[in-house]
Amino acid sequence: GQNIDQPTEMTATEGAIVQINCTYQTSGFNGLFWYQQHAGEAPTFLSYNVLDGLEEKGRFSSFLSRSKGYSYLLLKELQMKDSASYLCAAPAGTALIFGKGTTLSVSS
Amino acid sequence: KAGVTQTPRYLIKTRGQQVTLSCSPISGHRSVSWYQQTPGQGLQFLFEYFSETQRNKGNFPGRFSGRQFSNSRSEMNVSTLELGDSALYLCASSSGGGISYEQYFGPGTRLTVT
Repeated sequence: GQNIDQPTEMTATEGAIVQINCTYQTSGFNGLFWYQQHAGEAPTFLSYNVLDGLEEKGRFSSFLSRSKGYSYLLLKELQMKDSASYLCAAPAGTALIFGKGTTLSVSS
Repeated sequence: KAGVTQTPRYLIKTRGQQVTLSCSPISGHRSVSWYQQTPGQGLQFLFEYFSETQRNKGNFPGRFSGRQFSNSRSEMNVSTLELGDSALYLCASSSGGGISYEQYFGPGTRLTVT
């Protein structure tokens, strides 16, 4: 089966850096996704990692360690608009199994 | 390119009724997945269709069913509604058949069962 864990809530201030962790246990590994979901909106794709290491996309970076079953999303130069839920997800066949999401609150 | 559309956006039903939700994927996308999102359980996978065939199914009772048409549009049906079925139902489409394909989500249908 699949099990994905991530912290429920995090808070940070504008301009700061925050790291959102995700640990997973999957039967067969096929990569890891990160999605962002603003309140009342649909989730939007942020990143997909299938190999170990850090992938950077502007202010957002995602890291994967397959041997440790661990990933994190790094958000730099935080802005108020980054307040959202961040969802870690792993493929299971053609489905995506999501963690329960981490709600990030950014304050000024 | 138009995004994923879902209709209706909001729905109120009473226990015991049934409901049908509709999803139109992005043009050219052949895979459509359905998810249920609740505050307590988060996003949970319902089922996935590709070229009119159900390829994958989550752990939901048989009251939840779906289908996909030849134009890739999909519907999901919930029969004998229960209070616990109140949730946001999200549909997502992707272009290919592989697991690494990014899924694009629609805005969802907010179902309230009273």
